[in-house]
Amino acid sequence: EPEVTQTPSHQVTQMGQEVILRCVPISNHLYFYWYRQILGQKVEFLVSFYNNEISEKSEIFDDRFSVERPDGSNFTLKIRSTKLEDSAMYFCASLWTGPPREQYFGPGTRLTVT
Amino acid sequence: RKEVEQDPGPFNVPEGATVAFNCTYSNSASQSFFWYRQDCRKEPKLLMSVYSSGNEDGRFTAQLNRASQYISLLIRDSKLSDSATYLCVVDLVGSQGNLIFGKGTKLSVKP
Repeated sequence: EPEVTQTPSHQVTQMGQEVILRCVPISNHLYFYWYRQILGQKVEFLVSFYNNEISEKSEIFDDRFSVERPDGSNFTLKIRSTKLEDSAMYFCASLWTGPPREQYFGPGTRLTVT
Repeated sequence: RKEVEQDPGPFNVPEGATVAFNCTYSNSASQSFFWYRQDCRKEPKLLMSVYSSGNEDGRFTAQLNRASQYISLLIRDSKLSDSATYLCVVDLVGSQGNLIFGKGTKLSVKP
């Protein structure tokens, strides 16, 4: 069964550094998303991406964040100048189109900023 | 007002029990509704979409009441493997499928 994959599974970085989180969405899907989940809190939407551009972004997705689909398979989230409060699980998700509009999530990258 | 509200639990039930989870959502224009399950420190996994007519998948039954903005999930004959956090999820109105998650209801099934 096709699945979303993410690398790395765990990333530790120092405050102020840049990180790139990588995702390979399901191959025939058209919409791509990043969500984050701070430990003990709910899953929160960051950004959606369709047709090689950002569709929508939340207030969390400030100008330190960027996304890219550099080739036909990878989808990346870059965070510049990382802050302690960026520590969270970051989930990539993809959606074909539907209906139903069901999103499938990758296993996540745990980002720890020290 | 919170967008998606759920009873946080935990619900502690014996194997074989029937358990029901409830959820309310704030935006009456929401179109898509889902239940996901999340195991500790893992990704949300889609359990089922929720349709207006109600739908069933094996031991799981989901119901939607648009008038009350209320979603439910019923698990019959619960198994140890059902232990997880159950997330009520709705779409963000007018978005490209952006999802709004509840905080989840924790279920623990005991032998």
